[in-house]
Amino acid sequence: ILNVEQSPQSLHVQEGDSTNFTCSFPSSNFYALHWYRWETAKSPEALFVMTLNGDEKKKGRISATLNTKEGYSYLYIKGSQPEDSATYLCAPYTGNQFYFGTGTSLTVIP
Amino acid sequence: GAVVSQHPSWVICKSGTSVKIECRSLDFQATTMFWYRQFPKQSLMLMATSNEGSKATYEQGVEKDKFLINHASLTLSTLTVTSAHPEDSSFYICSGAGAYNEQFFGPGTRLTVL
Repeated sequence: ILNVEQSPQSLHVQEGDSTNFTCSFPSSNFYALHWYRWETAKSPEALFVMTLNGDEKKKGRISATLNTKEGYSYLYIKGSQPEDSATYLCAPYTGNQFYFGTGTSLTVIP
Repeated sequence: GAVVSQHPSWVICKSGTSVKIECRSLDFQATTMFWYRQFPKQSLMLMATSNEGSKATYEQGVEKDKFLINHASLTLSTLTVTSAHPEDSSFYICSGAGAYNEQFFGPGTRLTVL
């Protein structure tokens, strides 16, 4: 079992604020890192798949970076909007299995 | 993105009954589907990997006789919780694998066993 930690556990920000959260994972047996957004009552939605050390991916106002040597990934949201409110999950993939963190619950206050 | 449906969304049953949960890939063929369980305030935990036309691979600690998985077609996998007990109450969610191993999730099933 891989120990995946996400911090903070929850976050409340004002609309327009930028924010970021962290996913930490063991750097051994690393194959890829996935980020998902999970809105209440909906299916988790894939945001990014990252594989290379130093990878940086961007989708609109959301971006992510990856450091496989030290075992962490950051997710950034620029200018948060209420529709960004969701739980953000990271999941390292070993090539055999995904290991999910408990997620960061983001609430954007209008 | 690819769409996965799951049915039912909610189920409440009496202890000792069996419950079947369906997971369908609506617009893609999923040779591999995954079943996860999530207890409150915990992470998604993989229960089993379901392969079309073959037996499922169960994770350590998951009873295969209790959680029956059938993947009879490229678009349908089912999870049957047999003789359910209150400790089986949980959130069950399935996913199908995409080309880059990204997961396309269903919306999940909340099971409550009384």
